[in-house]
Amino acid sequence: EVQLVESGGGLVKPGGSLRLSCAASGFTFSSYSMNWVRQAPGKGLEWVSSISSSSSYIYYADSVKGRFTISRDNAKNSLYLQMNSLRAEDTAVYYCARDLFTSSGWPDYWGQGTLVTVSS
Amino acid sequence: DIQMTQSPSAMSASVGDRVTITCRASQGISNYLAWFQQKPGKVPKRLIYASSSLQSGVPSRFSGSGSGTEFTLTISSLQPEDFATYYCLQHNSYPLTFGGGTKVEIK
Repeated sequence: EVQLVESGGGLVKPGGSLRLSCAASGFTFSSYSMNWVRQAPGKGLEWVSSISSSSSYIYYADSVKGRFTISRDNAKNSLYLQMNSLRAEDTAVYYCARDLFTSSGWPDYWGQGTLVTVSS
Repeated sequence: DIQMTQSPSAMSASVGDRVTITCRASQGISNYLAWFQQKPGKVPKRLIYASSSLQSGVPSRFSGSGSGTEFTLTISSLQPEDFATYYCLQHNSYPLTFGGGTKVEIK
């Protein structure tokens, strides 16, 4: 069974840093691209970042470019999001997701999310 | 960057109603569009991929159509479990972009 479990969220002051982790199990992690998607309280979904299976290709939303860094450790079956220079508008539940999109019908998988609150 | 404009942002409908939600892309995205459903307190779930293909296990009352810049999600006969928020996602190019969402509420 595919499982994605996020951790690392919490309360941080503006300008601070946080590192989110996503532990993957139940599939060959090293074969899949992975994504971070966030959702501010009461708001819609926002794609944050994607990383290819071997980390060769990395993409960011304009809203986080230069402040957030996505990475992965295939040996540890883990995905990360290093978040620096945090702002109030980064407050959200952060989800890691596999197969966010597909052309062949593979199901999507999401973690339960971890809440990041940026407040003084 | 490609902007996805979703409409309406909210709607009230009754059980049995036919519901149509629209997403417009700011430039052509072929059929690189997916639709997601999110219920309160739950993670999103993809319903439709490649604009019109039904995800396995999703009821056939859901359908998607469109190509290029205009896309629709249709629920042919709204059921009580369909009251949720729906999002489109374009994956033609990065940055990926979601539509703003459509909240379908009970009339």
